[in-house]
Amino acid sequence: GAGVSQSPSNKVTEKGKDVELRCDPISGHTALYWYRQSLGQGLEFLIYFQGNSAPDKSGLPSDRFSAERTGGSVSTLTIQRTQQEDSAVYLCASSLNWGDQPQHFGDGTRLSIL
Amino acid sequence: RKEVEQDPGPFNVPEGATVAFNCTYSNSASQSFFWYRQDCRKEPKLLMSVYSSGNEDGRFTAQLNRASQYISLLIRDSKLSDSATYLCVVHRDDKIIFGKGTRLHILP
Repeated sequence: GAGVSQSPSNKVTEKGKDVELRCDPISGHTALYWYRQSLGQGLEFLIYFQGNSAPDKSGLPSDRFSAERTGGSVSTLTIQRTQQEDSAVYLCASSLNWGDQPQHFGDGTRLSIL
Repeated sequence: RKEVEQDPGPFNVPEGATVAFNCTYSNSASQSFFWYRQDCRKEPKLLMSVYSSGNEDGRFTAQLNRASQYISLLIRDSKLSDSATYLCVVHRDDKIIFGKGTRLHILP
């Protein structure tokens, strides 16, 4: 079966623009996770969904970041008014339920803000 | 202080040697622990879970010390293919915290 799919794989945009990143988890996985990995840094946990619900949004770096998941499947991470410090690889992962291992990661979206 | 800390390395180790990494965590409420492996420019992949009783998977042994709040990973008879970054992962409440990783280079 297909793994976790993320799009776009690369995104270059100008500072101040909005961007939307998409994640399509493995079919049947109820838990979906968003991470950010900056150059030379570890994975920063942003948010997770169990079904369509995100119980804790405190990991999002600022109020310019938002995420949603509808239909218990595809999720979008939106960054408004992008800043240069938003440049990073955004990784999505899914698992059967929250906390289950392994988490299956997508290939990531490499975001570059000019 | 970071909630999960690892020595970034790099650890340069000759092939066939044994190497060990530690990872410390600061929150005693942390509930479960894992080691992930990440190859350069690739996504992380689960290596193994970590239990208090210790667990072994082939050449890899993981251990959890709750009293001292650290987990360890031991790799025996290291192979060139073990070269990667090893990420310590901690689950706590509604959060998953990754360490920054320890880079391992196995030398021929």
